[in-house]
Amino acid sequence: DAKTTQPPSMDCAEGRAANLPCNHSTISGNEYVYWYRQIHSQGPQYIIHGLKNNETNEMASLIITEDRKSSTLILPHATLRDTAVYYCIVRVANSGGSNYKLTFGKGTLLTVNP
Amino acid sequence: GAVVSQHPSRVICKSGTSVKIECRSLDFQATTMFWYRQFPKQSLMLMATSNEGSKATYEQGVEKDKFLINHASLTLSTLTVTSAHPEDSSFYICSASYRERGNTEAFFGQGTRLTVV
Repeated sequence: DAKTTQPPSMDCAEGRAANLPCNHSTISGNEYVYWYRQIHSQGPQYIIHGLKNNETNEMASLIITEDRKSSTLILPHATLRDTAVYYCIVRVANSGGSNYKLTFGKGTLLTVNP
Repeated sequence: GAVVSQHPSRVICKSGTSVKIECRSLDFQATTMFWYRQFPKQSLMLMATSNEGSKATYEQGVEKDKFLINHASLTLSTLTVTSAHPEDSSFYICSASYRERGNTEAFFGQGTRLTVV
């Protein structure tokens, strides 16, 4: 799986949008971009994923650049409960077996301040 | 999303004993389950991949005789830490996937905090 680069930490004010960047310059054409987050002492939680089009769900929006070498996760109105480590992961989207394996980097610690 | 449940959430054991951690997919059949380990202030490290009915595939550096994985059914995988030592103290997390969609997300359990004293 392609490697990703994320800033180690970011701060955001409560109620404002949080924009978390991720670089994945070696991404292959068949690799998706996934975002997970981990709140302290809990298991990771899926947020969103995409291939090349921008995606939005009830939690966040994912903006992927046209060359797919970077992406941004947007939390539109951050709350204190969004404080967590956010992981950007790229992986092949084939079905079955070890292709579901996720390789976690160090992620970005997002701290939402009141 | 689908629910993955781990049990116990916390366990303290004496050095030299064995500990079993269960991972269950509650509302779907998990064809593949993964076991991760996370030390304080570090990221998740994959330990092994288990497919229902077959032997687990271990990542390099993970002792298969120490970390026994059983995936006997499509809803249950177990990780047994044998002859535990204090350095095995860690946060163990499982995840599960199913094959119905080609690029589905993996679902994670809530983790098990193991402390070996």
